[in-house]
Parts: sequence; C-alpha cells; structure tokens
Amino acid sequence: SAVISQKPSRDICQRGTSLTIQCQVDSQVTMMFWYRQQPGQSLTLIATANQGSEATYESGFVIDKFPISRPNLTFSTLTVSNMSPEDSSIYLCSVDKPENTEAFFGQGTRLTVV
Amino acid sequence: RKEVEQDPGPFNVPEGATVAFNCTYSNSASQSFFWYRQDCRKEPKLLMSVYSSGNEDGRFTAQLNRASQYISLLIRDSKLSDSATYLCVPYPHTGGFKTIFGAGTRPFVKA
Repeated sequence: SAVISQKPSRDICQRGTSLTIQCQVDSQVTMMFWYRQQPGQSLTLIATANQGSEATYESGFVIDKFPISRPNLTFSTLTVSNMSPEDSSIYLCSVDKPENTEAFFGQGTRLTVV
Repeated sequence: RKEVEQDPGPFNVPEGATVAFNCTYSNSASQSFFWYRQDCRKEPKLLMSVYSSGNEDGRFTAQLNRASQYISLLIRDSKLSDSATYLCVPYPHTGGFKTIFGAGTRPFVKA
C-alpha cells in the first residue's frame, strides 16, 4: 500500500489569489496524479506529475492555471492560480502501485473560493 | 461514446435486498478492471479488482463480460453502510496508464 499525506485539508481563499497543495508519499513512486472532484461529480484527472519532466495535462487543464512541481519521487505540489469561485472543489492527489495498478489517494483538499 | 459509462442513480435499495449495477467501457484493450468505493467527503478506496471473468468478496461480486464490454457489481444482503458511490475503472485507459473514473453509481440503502 501507499500512505499519502495531503495538505491543507481545507481552505477558504479570496478570488484572484493562489493556493498550493502538497502531497507527500511514504515511498518512491514514478507517477503522481492530481484530480479535481466538483460537488456531486466524479473525479476528473487534471494532470500526471513525473519526476524530472513537465507534468502532462489532460484536455481542459493548462499549466498556467494549475502549475505542478515534482522535485523528487515522494513529493508533488499543485497550485491553483488566480482562483475564481468556479475553482471551488475537492482536489486529490493519487499514486498507482505498479504491481497491481491500485490507486491510492490523499485525503483531499476542500477548496472554497469566495 | 464515453470511455466509461455508469448510471449515476441514485438508486433506492431496501435493506437486505440484492442490487446490481453495470459499467460499460469502450477500450477493448483494457485488461484490468477495478471498483472503487467513495464514502461521502472521503477519498476513493479500492473495493475489488477484476482480472479475468470475475471476483467475489463476501457480499460483493464483480463480473466481467469482455464480449459486451461491461463489468458489473452485485451487492447481496445490502446494509445501510453500503450507501456510497461506486466508481468503475477499466485499465489501462486509451490515453495511457492512468486511472480514469466513471461517473459513479450511488445506491442509497434504506431501512
């Protein structure tokens, strides 16, 4: 299994500001993933974070809005930039274990933009 | 057609009943299939993995139909605590080795 520590667990932010979310994994992993879950919706993949290269973004998500860092094999950050109320959502980080492709998640960050 | 389709419900399920719901997938190259459970305000957690025709774990049975490209999840003797969102994941995705979730199905078990 993998244990992921994600913080902050929640925040209320002013529009126009930015928030950086951190994820720390208890073991080295090749890929980390960032998801968004809007109220009443399923999880939508934002991007895949690889160590040593730029993140790969899914359709509809761009680096200027959601810059990602991956400085080593156990840590990643996601920044939500220039926030608007539409960014209010839960953001989750995740890792896969290659041996069985099970996905493990952080506890999520509940973001409210006012 | 979406790559993963689930009927989101909600489905009202009497306590003790058996309920089944399906997930259809479009990528015929998918080899592994997963059901995740997500409780309200919690992160998803793996419920069952399916690599061949099916899998059974207690009251839960997952079945795979490759010809028709769907997987099903059956819950027997439903408990109030089974009320959650059940998310389907075929793997790999057409876009590569990443976990893409279906919309989720939400059974609501009532006494």
